[in-house]
Amino acid sequence: EIVMTQSPATLSVSPGERATLSCRASQSVSSNLAWYQQKPGQAPRLLIYGASTRATGIPARFSGSGSGTEFTLTISSLQSEDFAVYYCQQYNNLWTFGQGTKVEIK
Amino acid sequence: QITLKESGPTLVKPSQTLTLTCTFSGFSLSTSGVGVGWIRQPPGKALEWLALIYWDDDDRYSPSLKSRLTITKDTSKNQVVLTMTNVDPVDTATYYCAHSYRSLFDYWGQGTLVTVSS
Repeated sequence: EIVMTQSPATLSVSPGERATLSCRASQSVSSNLAWYQQKPGQAPRLLIYGASTRATGIPARFSGSGSGTEFTLTISSLQSEDFAVYYCQQYNNLWTFGQGTKVEIK
Repeated sequence: QITLKESGPTLVKPSQTLTLTCTFSGFSLSTSGVGVGWIRQPPGKALEWLALIYWDDDDRYSPSLKSRLTITKDTSKNQVVLTMTNVDPVDTATYYCAHSYRSLFDYWGQGTLVTVSS
């Protein structure tokens, strides 16, 4: 089973600042990596797939990069609606989620 | 538009079998490449993928839960059913179903909270 490890667990950021979230896979997942955003009481929402392709309707301030085992999600200028929990997920071999990074207001 | 909704019991006793139904609209589970998956989330914890069934009846299960899970589909009713045997309090979670295309979970249901307790 591929294990996904996210860091940090919690990221405190001021509105307007940049947020950088990391995700590491225990073995290569090529570019089969997705990012999801989840707000309290809501289902997750697909943000990024193929490591770097934004899903439909996702603002350009969200960007993804990486391949193999190291991935990054960057939110260029945090808006109030971006404070949430973010999960990475590999879909190269079955499906596995990371433990999540909570982005909170500093 | 694509919508999914989970239904099932809110409370289940330990050792019982849990049966959850995902009723969907806006797509057909007979379309090539389409699947429906189940994902759960214990309170305050991370997401965990459980199972997925494809348009051609092929299925996949989480290795750690495979012996306890069965996923089936009824294309005519637009439903996918997940059964989990021998439930335990650690199975308490919100259970989501989601539409999958090209292995991505792009549309999700609202989730249903299932509590396992005597």
